Amino acid sequence: AQSVSQHNHHVILSEAASLELGCNYSYGGTVNLFWYVQYPGQHLQLLLKYFSGDPLVKGIKGFEAEFIKSKFSFNLRKPSVQWSDTAEYFCAVIITGGQGGKLIFGQGTELSVKP
Amino acid sequence: DTGVSQNPRHKITKRGQNVTFRCDPISEHNRLYWYRQTLGQGPEFLTYFQNEAQLEKSRLLSDRFSAERPKGSFSTLEIQRTEQGDSAMYLCASQATYEQYFGPGTRLTVT
Repeated sequence: AQSVSQHNHHVILSEAASLELGCNYSYGGTVNLFWYVQYPGQHLQLLLKYFSGDPLVKGIKGFEAEFIKSKFSFNLRKPSVQWSDTAEYFCAVIITGGQGGKLIFGQGTELSVKP
Repeated sequence: DTGVSQNPRHKITKRGQNVTFRCDPISEHNRLYWYRQTLGQGPEFLTYFQNEAQLEKSRLLSDRFSAERPKGSFSTLEIQRTEQGDSAMYLCASQATYEQYFGPGTRLTVT
């Protein structure tokens, strides 16, 4: 079965530190890739998405992600985190050409940024 | 922009009772999804609708679960004879193309 794996369950950083959150998926075909964020007390929001083209995609709030097809990876990066980035981050994929377009999520990474 | 709304936001029920949740999608979004999220996990797909047709159901969706989307607008998710293992956050999302917009969820606690 297709699955998404996020390497870190909880990451603690100080403000201005650089961030990289790992995401790998298991599916050999074409996928669409997403990162969602859930701030405390809020609902899931889309950070960025990759459908095709340039494998380096930029999202909101200075986040970016790189799709490396050979590694089945879609890691999220930010050069300098802020306290307001404290949230839970979810990587997700849609198997294209399959039925429906349901999102398959990773288990999430909780990011805590210390001021 | 009203976004996706879900009601109620919280529901506490006793084991064995039936519960129903409602989701109002963004208007004109023809696809509607239900997911379930438990503590420390990402959301898991339950079912989805294309307009009023329910096109896929996860094996997670036991016979006690039923979902409807009459007239292709709002959707309801009913759980009959609730069990403690049903305690979770139930999320609804609506979609126009490949981007899904999530509602705030309904947190169900079964005591």
